[in-house]
Amino acid sequence: KAGVTQTPRYLIKTRGQQVTLSCSPISGHRSVSWYQQTPGQGLQFLFEYFSETQRNKGNFPGRFSGRQFSNSRSEMNVSTLELGDSALYLCASSLALTGAGDTEAFFGQGTRLTVV
Amino acid sequence: AQKVTQAQTEISVVEKEDVTLDCVYETRDTTYYLFWYKQPPSGELVFLIRRNSFDEQNEISGRYSWNFQKSTSSFNFTITASQVVDSAVYFCALLNFGNEKLTFGTGTRLTIIP
Repeated sequence: KAGVTQTPRYLIKTRGQQVTLSCSPISGHRSVSWYQQTPGQGLQFLFEYFSETQRNKGNFPGRFSGRQFSNSRSEMNVSTLELGDSALYLCASSLALTGAGDTEAFFGQGTRLTVV
Repeated sequence: AQKVTQAQTEISVVEKEDVTLDCVYETRDTTYYLFWYKQPPSGELVFLIRRNSFDEQNEISGRYSWNFQKSTSSFNFTITASQVVDSAVYFCALLNFGNEKLTFGTGTRLTIIP
């Protein structure tokens, strides 16, 4: 059974550009969550999608957006990149909503974004 | 508000020693879930355990064991007879029922010295 796949694994972008990250969840999983990991702030929740609907969003500016397709694949977009956006972006998939609690979230290996 | 504190930033032990990773959480909810994840150098978070707030039974899985105590709001993780492959960053996380986000602690970097 394939795990969570995130592409690309590494990305270098220039300040002011925009970037799109992709996450393919485990087959059959309908929930996809995104997290940002930085040395200074640790792991922070970005948003969760379930059945193509955004369920919750963390405390990030509107430059961070996402969407989910009918096949549960999700994309995250960051516009007008800033140096502080450099981070490891992790995607997690689960069968049910994360908030239900009794479901495991399986994480991908992440996309390491460097903004120069 | 919910918060997870992992006071130990880094721990180093010699192989075969036992090691305990501490986790203290804060939440006002009565229904919540606690998790432990392992993050090896490859980057992905590997799920280790989930425990709900109504189940205070300790759990043992091979060399791993978890001690959940609501009275002290702690959910500690012990590795017995540590191995080099246990070297990783370990995260404790909290989820309030009905909330879609996991709140993570800052992680504990564990290094097992051969």
